[in-house]
Formats: sequence, structure tokens, C-alpha cells
Amino acid sequence: ETGVTQSPTHLIKTRGQQVTLRCSSQSGHNTVSWYQQALGQGPQFIFQYYREEENGRGNFPPRFSGLQFPNYSSELNVNALELDDSALYLCASSVVGEWETQYFGPGTRLLVL
Amino acid sequence: AQSVTQLDSQVPVFEEAPVELRCNYSSSVSVYLFWYVQYPNQGLQLLLKYLSGSTLVKGINGFEAEFNKSQTSFHLRKPSVHISDTAEYFCAVSPKGGSGGTSYGKLTFGQGTILTVHP
Repeated sequence: ETGVTQSPTHLIKTRGQQVTLRCSSQSGHNTVSWYQQALGQGPQFIFQYYREEENGRGNFPPRFSGLQFPNYSSELNVNALELDDSALYLCASSVVGEWETQYFGPGTRLLVL
Repeated sequence: AQSVTQLDSQVPVFEEAPVELRCNYSSSVSVYLFWYVQYPNQGLQLLLKYLSGSTLVKGINGFEAEFNKSQTSFHLRKPSVHISDTAEYFCAVSPKGGSGGTSYGKLTFGQGTILTVHP
């Protein structure tokens, strides 16, 4: 049990809509990262937040944005959804003093129609 | 930048047989290395990690991996597999502290290897 939870588990949206995915980690997990895993692929890094500031970003457009809150929760927002955004979205957090190691939540599966 | 290549997309094996899942990586900086397992419709679970020290690392569920710096490899092994080991396995790397800038902690994954254990 990693202590990282995500909601919702599944979501269906239509092209052009906006979506917000949520992640909650334990006390002391002060770094959170988001990954996109397309079907049949390995996860790809979207961005990382540390102390509520973006701390690194992968090759994703600005319509992917995030927030980290003081209560160890985080959000991933995606605007103007495209069909290719259909994927499993994974949240991962790191423990203070061990932050090279990331622990993953169960993911949110997003389907864009 | 880092890249990870998992040399086998699928590995079928019989129960109680040994297995090796191969992983090679490329990086311009020093990296940490990881293996994660993903069971169907679930997130990723950390199997083991190499940070420094002994190149042979042991993880959960009887898995182990060996870091070979000269060959830039980090192959995963288990001497005797069980039906419950059927899953997808991902090799990943991240830049070491002080060498990755804002990439610190960013994991780069391979494409995954599906391990299927047959009775």
C-alpha cells in the first residue's frame, strides 16, 4: 500500500471538453509527479510539483496544467481534450529524504470520445 | 536526456522456470535505476531500485537485478516464477541529484515487457 490515491477511477469525456483529475498522498510526500500511460506504452512524464511550484515538465503542451496543495493533494487539468489524450493518468509522490523514489497511485483511466 | 529500451516486448515462461527481463538504457548523466510491475488495471508497484553501492539489488517477490555500468544494462531476474508473477514489467531511470537540474526525480520508462507464466 503506497498511500497514494486517485479519483475518479474512470472518466469519459468528449473532444474539446476540460477535465480535472485528483491525487492525494500521505503526510511527508512533498513531491508529486504526473504521468500519462497510453495503451500499450510505458508511462510518460508530464510534470512534477515541489512545494506547490512546478519543478520540471515533460514534452506536453500548456493545455496540461497542474496544482499542488498544502494538504498533500494535487490536481491535473487538461483543457481542450483531444482523442489522443485517452490514457491512464498516474500520480506519483516521493517521501521527504527519499525523493528519488516515487510511489504510484492506481491511476485514472480517461477516455475521450 | 535519457532513454530506456526493454529488449523483449513479451516473455512467456512456464511456472517454476527462471526468467530474465532485459533492460538497456542511455543517458548523458548518472542515473538511478528502477523496475516497476503493473498488474492488469492497476498502477505501478516498485519492485526494486539501484541507487548506489552493490550492483546486485534484491527486491520484493524474489526478484533481483544487476546493474552493469559498462553495458548500461539493468536486467531483472527471478530463479523460479509463479503464476502470480504474470504482469507487465517496466524498467525506468531518473537523473541523479545535482546532475539532472529540473529533471531530478523525472522517471523515463521503457515500453514494458509482458511476462506470462504458464502452468
